Amino acid sequence: DAGVIQSPRHEVTEMGQEVTLRCKPISGHNSLFWYRQTMMRGLELLIYFNNNVPIDDSGMPEDRFSAKMPNASFSTLKIQPSEPRDSAVYFCASSFVGQGDSDTQYFGPGTRLTVL
Amino acid sequence: AQSVTQLGSHVSVSEGALVLLRCNYSSSVPPYLFWYVQYPNQGLQLLLKYTSAATLVKGINGFEAEFKKSETSFHLTKPSAHMSDAAEYFCAVKGSGTYKYIFGTGTRLKVLA
Repeated sequence: DAGVIQSPRHEVTEMGQEVTLRCKPISGHNSLFWYRQTMMRGLELLIYFNNNVPIDDSGMPEDRFSAKMPNASFSTLKIQPSEPRDSAVYFCASSFVGQGDSDTQYFGPGTRLTVL
Repeated sequence: AQSVTQLGSHVSVSEGALVLLRCNYSSSVPPYLFWYVQYPNQGLQLLLKYTSAATLVKGINGFEAEFKKSETSFHLTKPSAHMSDAAEYFCAVKGSGTYKYIFGTGTRLKVLA
């Protein structure tokens, strides 16, 4: 399996621009997570999908952030408008939530976002 | 509720020395515990996980961790450090019946030649 795929790996944009991050989870997984990693705050869960449905978006920082999962093999995280404080590494992770409760999460390589 | 504390944000060891990275957790339900490693500019990779089958868990790259309920600990060890072990290590807890991982703040391991 190719693992979790994220694109782009690096994104540099100017303040006010729209940014879209993409994720392809591992085939057969039914859960998808978006995380943000910064030096100051560590790893933060932004949103969790189960069977393509958003279950918990309490970690989304504000209305400028939105996430979608139109099908089991694709998700996007959009920031509009972007701000310099959004600069971070954004990770997507997937897992199979079902039998055996441990539900190991598998992480993608991340997208490093820089907002100038 | 669950929480994780990793003691020591930076740990340095000599090549060939014992590696010990500390993790303490709290959980109101039976926990699942994980150690992940993150190499520079990469995502998190699972090292090992505790799922109640055995208290001593062996992972990849020679790492192991022991679940000690009485101490609420899940420390990560490796008998002999290698230069390639230099990375950041994250401990995480997930409560049984929940979906959310709670990650520690990470420990950056430096291996000295």
